[in-house]
Amino acid sequence: ETGVTQSPTHLIKTRGQQVTLRCSSQSGHNTVSWYQQALGQGPQFIFQYYREEENGRGNFPPRFSGLQFPNYSSELNVNALELDDSALYLCASSLRGSGAYNEQFFGPGTRLTVL
Amino acid sequence: AQKITQTQPGMFVQEKEAVTLDCTYDTSDPSYGLFWYKQPSSGEMIFLIYQGSYDQQNATEGRYSLNFQKARKSANLVISASQLGDSAMYFCAMRERGGNQFYFGTGTSLTVIP
Repeated sequence: ETGVTQSPTHLIKTRGQQVTLRCSSQSGHNTVSWYQQALGQGPQFIFQYYREEENGRGNFPPRFSGLQFPNYSSELNVNALELDDSALYLCASSLRGSGAYNEQFFGPGTRLTVL
Repeated sequence: AQKITQTQPGMFVQEKEAVTLDCTYDTSDPSYGLFWYKQPSSGEMIFLIYQGSYDQQNATEGRYSLNFQKARKSANLVISASQLGDSAMYFCAMRERGGNQFYFGTGTSLTVIP
């Protein structure tokens, strides 16, 4: 069973640039969620993708966008980067089902630094 | 209001001792799940234990147990026989049945002292 992978591991960008982060979900999982974790904070939900459509969004501006592909992998795109976008970006995959139990498996994260 | 509150920014425990990490939550959804994750310095979030709102018994997974007090809306993590490798950040999280996202607390940094 292949776990969740993310690329790149680290990234340095300058303010105003655009960035694309990638995530491959765990085998058999059909749902991908993205989180932003600022230094010293807990992860904050950005959005979730299910069946290639956005399925829930946190309090993030439209310059944060995403995609999910037929193989359930996903991309997170951030336009017009700001200094406050510097964070660890975590991708989590899960198998959508009923009930509150919906364990998410996290990838190792992409650490984005905006200068 | 915060969905998940972790009031202990940092905790220290002697090796082989037990430690309790506190977590309180806020929800009006009668069906929800509570999760604990460990985050080492490498950054990856590692799932530890789950407790469902309708579960009658406290969850246990090896050295981890969850002290679930529904009326008080608390879900404290107990780590028994602490090991040096337990040193990490620990996050409490909740998912409501009516929602998609996980809500995370601000975490507790645990340091195990030899």
